[in-house]
Amino acid sequence: AQKITQTQPGMFVQEKEAVTLDCTYDTSDQSYGLFWYKQPSSGEMIFLIYQGSYDEQNATEGRYSLNFQKARKSANLVISASQLGDSAMYFCAMGSTSGTYKYIFGTGTRLKVLA
Amino acid sequence: GAVVSQHPSWVICKSGTSVKIECRSLDFQATTMFWYRQFPKQSLMLMATSNEGSKATYEQGVEKDKFLINHASLTLSTLTVTSAHPEDSSFYICSADTSGRYEQYFGPGTRLTVT
Repeated sequence: AQKITQTQPGMFVQEKEAVTLDCTYDTSDQSYGLFWYKQPSSGEMIFLIYQGSYDEQNATEGRYSLNFQKARKSANLVISASQLGDSAMYFCAMGSTSGTYKYIFGTGTRLKVLA
Repeated sequence: GAVVSQHPSWVICKSGTSVKIECRSLDFQATTMFWYRQFPKQSLMLMATSNEGSKATYEQGVEKDKFLINHASLTLSTLTVTSAHPEDSSFYICSADTSGRYEQYFGPGTRLTVT
């Protein structure tokens, strides 16, 4: 069975500092994708970054990077130079890259950026 | 690009009535649309997956006669909550994916309150 685990219910970070949000996963699929989404208080889910299981390089999108360690089954999100607007709920998700691509989500980490 | 809209953004209805929520992909054709439910301070739970012109595939434990999904076109899916009860009050979010992309694009969500 597939599973996503986010062990940090809440995190604080000082503005302009970097922060790492943890995500571990379990799957028997060989081909899968890992995703991070941001959910601000408005409720909308904002796509941040994607890492494919066969991608050898860690994904990066602006201030977001994904630290992918396949052997450890971890896909941590690193946010550099945190901004006040980064305060939100962050969800890690996994989907198969064959078939219907449906996701399972982790329980989320609430990030608060301090001024 | 890749914008998904939902309507209404919030709705209050009386117990026993039905409510329809629309999900539209505005600038792309959706291969698949997904419906999620999110309780306060919890993660997203996938309810069903739908493809245009096909019957929706419901996740285990989701009553298909209660949560009717119609996927009328490549850009429109609807979720109808029939005979709503207070326990159906929740945040309902749809998402869509498109050919060639693994990430899902989410709508802004619909907050349903049943009184």
